[in-house]
Amino acid sequence: QKEVEQNSGPLSVPEGAIASLNCTYSDRGSQSFFWYRQYSGKSPELIMFIYSNGDKEDGRFTAQLNKASQYVSLLIRDSQPSDSATYLCAVNEGGTSYGKLTFGQGTILTVHP
Amino acid sequence: DAGVTQSPTHLIKTRGQHVTLRCSPISGHKSVSWYQQVLGQGPQFIFQYYEKEERGRGNFPDRFSARQFPNYSSELNVNALLLGDSALYLCASSLRVNQPQHFGDGTRLSIL
Repeated sequence: QKEVEQNSGPLSVPEGAIASLNCTYSDRGSQSFFWYRQYSGKSPELIMFIYSNGDKEDGRFTAQLNKASQYVSLLIRDSQPSDSATYLCAVNEGGTSYGKLTFGQGTILTVHP
Repeated sequence: DAGVTQSPTHLIKTRGQHVTLRCSPISGHKSVSWYQQVLGQGPQFIFQYYEKEERGRGNFPDRFSARQFPNYSSELNVNALLLGDSALYLCASSLRVNQPQHFGDGTRLSIL
């Protein structure tokens, strides 16, 4: 059973701090990795994707990938109360053949003023 | 541009009934995937279709079926509904099978 594990939450950070969300995956052949944000009662929203080892930055978000350690992380700088949501890590296990996303259980992030 | 649209938004059924959920992908996207999300968990993959062909199937019983139409829209069908089928059903579209997937607002299905 291929698995995606996220650090158990909930995670609470003060406004303006850096929030760090972590994810490990079991399928060493996985090639693409995604972070989704899901507000309560809403559907997941894609915020970052990364394919290569290293860092990828987009505004206040940085995704980090280490394929040797099978580890993906998401950093949120200058956290805002509006960042409070569940963050889902997803791994594409289909390679180039198809796009089955396997999701972690999600980490609840709370940013308090 | 319109995102992924799903209908209906909410649905209440009783055990044993059948349900059809519909999805229209983002314009230009040729791949549609279906996921089931129960409260407190991440979405679980059900199917992926690309160019009207099934490309992937998750670990769901044969009561679940889907198809994709020439205009790339898709339907998910569930027969003989069980209480455990109560969930949020999400449709996601992507340009191609291994490209980033964008989700619709989902259909919340309740089984009584």
